[in-house]
This record gives sequence, C-alpha cells and structure tokens, in this order.
Amino acid sequence: TQLLEQSPQFLSIQEGENLTVYCNSSSVFSSLQWYRQEPGEGPVLLVTVVTGGEVKKLKRLTFQFGDARKDSSLHITAAQPGDTGLYLCAGGGGNTGKLIFGQGTTLQVKP
Amino acid sequence: ETGVTQSPTHLIKTRGQQVTLRCSSQSGHNTVSWYQQALGQGPQFIFQYYREEENGRGNFPPRFSGLQFPNYSSELNVNALELDDSALYLCASSSTAGAAETQYFGPGTRLLVL
Repeated sequence: TQLLEQSPQFLSIQEGENLTVYCNSSSVFSSLQWYRQEPGEGPVLLVTVVTGGEVKKLKRLTFQFGDARKDSSLHITAAQPGDTGLYLCAGGGGNTGKLIFGQGTTLQVKP
Repeated sequence: ETGVTQSPTHLIKTRGQQVTLRCSSQSGHNTVSWYQQALGQGPQFIFQYYREEENGRGNFPPRFSGLQFPNYSSELNVNALELDDSALYLCASSSTAGAAETQYFGPGTRLLVL
C-alpha cells in the first residue's frame, strides 16, 4: 500500500519566517503534486514535479522532488499571512491515475 | 476556459437516504476522479472514470457508484447513507487517465448525514 506522510502536521509561525514541509514515502511515485486548500474549498494546484531531483520555484515557494522519487519538500521563504492554509502533497502512480494524498500540513502565519 | 464545477455546494441528508452529486469537468478533459475528504484529513480516492468507464477504484463499498456521460461530466451516487459518509466530496478532472497527469479540483460538495 502506497502511503505519503507529511510533516509537520501543524505549523504556526510569524510573518517573515522561513519554513519547510516534508512529504515522505517508501514507494516510488510517477509524479508528485502540491496543493493548497482553503477551508470549505477544493485543493488548488501549486506545482507538479515528475523528474527525480527536480526543483521548481514559484515566487517564494520552492519545491523539490527527491532523486529516488519517493519524497518531496516545500520551502516557503519569508512567509506571509496570505500563505495560511492546508498544504497537501499527492503522489501519482500505477495505471489508474489515482492520487494518494498525505494527511496535510496546516500552516498559520501570524502578522 | 471553464474550470471544474460541482453541484450542489452543500447537502443535508438523513441516514439510509440516497444522494447524487454532480461534476462538470474542465474543458478538454476526458477523465474525472472522485475523492472523499473527512474533516482534518487528506482526500481519499473513491474511483476514476475515463471515457465513460470506471478506471480504478479505491477502498470504498459498492454503495458508492458513479457514472460518466458522453460530455465527460460525472455523477457520484451514494446509497444507504451512513453518518461516516459526512465529508467534503471532491471531483477532479484531467486531460487523460495517466499516472503523471495533473488533476484539477472543483470546489467540492459538503455532505452532512444526520
């Protein structure tokens, strides 16, 4: 059974601080996607990584896919209150195209 | 380009009833996946439809069933509702059913079973 574990589960920081969220598995994934979700809404895609070792940057967000395609990280530089939300990693694999989600990291950035 | 839409946004049912949730996929997408998200959890895969046929199913009982129509919109049906079925139901569409395909989510339907 493929599982994704995210850490930490909860993070409360001050505006301007840096943070890293980790997404780990013992399984290999064809792709890894990061989403951000607001309360009562659907997840919004931030990035998809497909190549081992790949690094993608989206303004203050940096995403990395592990060399073995089993893990990923999301680093936020100089966090802002607008970054508050639930961050989800999701792995794609197998023939069905189903996504396996981590349990999520709830981030609160205080002004 | 129209994104993924879902209806209704909220629904209240009682235990034992049946419910139908609807999803319109993003323009150009032929694959629809359904997920259940309990409060405080990540979404769990229910099943996927590709070109009107089921293309994979998660660990959900047969009372969860679905359909995909020729225009690639989809329905999720749940029979004999249980209290634990209370959750946010998410629909996601993608351009194909491949494992590396990016899925785009709708806003979800919040179901409350009393």
